Amino acid sequence: AQTVTQSQPEMSVQEAETVTLSCTYDTSENNYYLFWYKQPPSRQMILVIRQEAYKQQNATENRFSVNFQKAAKSFSLKISDSQLGDTAMYFCAFQLSNAGKSTFGDGTTLTVKP
Amino acid sequence: DSGVTQTPKHLITATGQRVTLRCSPRSGDLSVYWYQQSLDQGLQFLIQYYNGEERAKGNILERFSAQQFPDLHSELNLSSLELGDSALYFCASSVGHPLSTDTQYFGPGTRLTVL
Repeated sequence: AQTVTQSQPEMSVQEAETVTLSCTYDTSENNYYLFWYKQPPSRQMILVIRQEAYKQQNATENRFSVNFQKAAKSFSLKISDSQLGDTAMYFCAFQLSNAGKSTFGDGTTLTVKP
Repeated sequence: DSGVTQTPKHLITATGQRVTLRCSPRSGDLSVYWYQQSLDQGLQFLIQYYNGEERAKGNILERFSAQQFPDLHSELNLSSLELGDSALYFCASSVGHPLSTDTQYFGPGTRLTVL
């Protein structure tokens, strides 16, 4: 079975600074996808970014980028120019390429301070 | 707005009761997934349907059941409710060919409180 570990339960960052959230996973499979989801106080789950395991290039979406290290099974999220609206819980998720369900980490609560 | 709708938003009921949560997927999506999120916890996968058929099952209790209807909406039935069933229940949908992976989009969730 696949597992996802987020070792930082809570983090904080000053507005406009950069922060990196860590995620590691464990799998014996080779074809899979990784996601970061944001859950603000409204509790809505919002997709932040997606990475295909077969792609070497790290995904980026505006201020959000990932550092995907397949051999190390690491998938960190970097948020640049942090904004107050980035305050949320962030979940890392793993999905096999032939199975729809996602396995989620326990989340990291990020607080952006003014 | 993800395009996935869930009703009701909030549900308060008593132990031993039965409730039904409803989900309508995004237009064009054939797969529906149900997840449970207990307080300050990650999401636990319950069950997946694709075009009316069950495709994958996670840690879903026998007291819980789900189905997907011909119009592709899905319902999650929770019976003999216990205090520990209090949680946020999410529905997600995707285009969802069962042999491919595509992104899941989440609904706003139904908050269930069992008293």
